[in-house]
Amino acid sequence: DIVMTQSPDSLAVSLGERATINCKSSQSVLQTSNNKNYVAWYQQKAGQPPNLLIYWTSTRESGVPDRFSGSGSGTDFTLTISSLQAEDVAVYYCQQYYSIPWTFGQGTKVEIK
Amino acid sequence: QVQLQESGPGLVKPSETLSLTCTVSGGSISSHYWSWIRQPPGKGLEWIAYISYSGTTNYNPSLKSRVTISMDTSKNQFSLKLRSVTAADTAVYYCARDQGSIAYWGQGTLVTVSS
Repeated sequence: DIVMTQSPDSLAVSLGERATINCKSSQSVLQTSNNKNYVAWYQQKAGQPPNLLIYWTSTRESGVPDRFSGSGSGTDFTLTISSLQAEDVAVYYCQQYYSIPWTFGQGTKVEIK
Repeated sequence: QVQLQESGPGLVKPSETLSLTCTVSGGSISSHYWSWIRQPPGKGLEWIAYISYSGTTNYNPSLKSRVTISMDTSKNQFSLKLRSVTAADTAVYYCARDQGSIAYWGQGTLVTVSS
């Protein structure tokens, strides 16, 4: 299985400041035939299912605010919230869908400082 | 807009079989892939299995010996059976439309394993 490891486990950021979450995969999730990294990011608020934010590492899902962005390649990936809003308080997960079984990071809890 | 709804018992006894059904509306299960994912209380997400529109299945090796996923196209439903459950199987179970990344999720159903 590909292990996805997120850092940090939690972070507190002031409103309007940048939040950065890292995700490292135990092996490359880059498909060289199409140059795509098979990584997605989700936001999960309390009592709700996860909400897809980003797929193919950096493609925003329809309706997702542009303050959310994804980057990275190979084994190292980042989710950035450029200007944290109160509604962004949640747990964020990365996921690889390069190989079965799909696996998720352990989650990063984002709070307001 | 695709919508998914899980249904099934909220309480299952240890050693018994957990059975859940996902009803899909707003789209046909005869296209796309469909998955089950679970989340123990306060913990992270674990992908369990998927079934394709053609009935091809794939399972998480950690659960493969106990899990069966199936579909009923006439009812636009797919189902999960997890045998020989223990307290470690207590979780919120989500059904989802799987494209690798997962844009459509059910609301989830909490299944507690307890005598």
